[in-house]
Amino acid sequence: GENVEQHPSTLSVQEGDSAVIKCTYSDSASNYFPWYKQELGKRPQLIIDIRSNVGEKKDQRIAVTLNKTAKHFSLHITETQPEDSAVYFCAASRRGAGSYQLTFGKGTKLSVIP
Amino acid sequence: EAQVTQNPRYLITVTGKKLTVTCSQNMNHEYMSWYRQDPGLGLRQIYYSMNVEVTDKGDVPEGYKVSRKEKRNFPLILESPSPNQTSLYFCASQTYFDRVSAHEQYFGPGTRLTVT
Repeated sequence: GENVEQHPSTLSVQEGDSAVIKCTYSDSASNYFPWYKQELGKRPQLIIDIRSNVGEKKDQRIAVTLNKTAKHFSLHITETQPEDSAVYFCAASRRGAGSYQLTFGKGTKLSVIP
Repeated sequence: EAQVTQNPRYLITVTGKKLTVTCSQNMNHEYMSWYRQDPGLGLRQIYYSMNVEVTDKGDVPEGYKVSRKEKRNFPLILESPSPNQTSLYFCASQTYFDRVSAHEQYFGPGTRLTVT
């Protein structure tokens, strides 16, 4: 089955700096890569996703890049703010033929220091 | 309001006492799933259901059962809970994926279970 590795497990940045979280996946057939944000005591929520036919996607201060050849994808957060502090999970999925399963990475705890 | 609900939110129980955690969604989603979240291990899938009466094992199904008799409900059953099932549990639902757009999984608020 799919295996998703996520690094780093913890990340501290100064407010205003950028943060990058990286994930690798093992199944070359995976074609959907979402990122979820989980604030303390809350449920995970989707913040951005990318499909395998796209190399990069941006939404305001967050962006995701995908390298299918190397089987890795990354989350980039620019101009970090204290409210960006949370645990971030990457995931991979092979969509199509009725498959919806998500395999998650182990998470990155991001701390933005004011 | 579109949502996934879980009950109870917190539960402390003893080893061997059967329990059920309920999950309900009001979005008419076909797909539902249960995850457990443990520190350092991320979210691991326990069971999932593609639709009514269709369920299958995820990555960590041992010690759990599920049923999907109605589209909106997907209860998680622990027949004989053990301390290693102490965890934070999330239910999630999703609508049918089509080739045009991806659909996110909506998570419930979580159930914190402690088995002593």
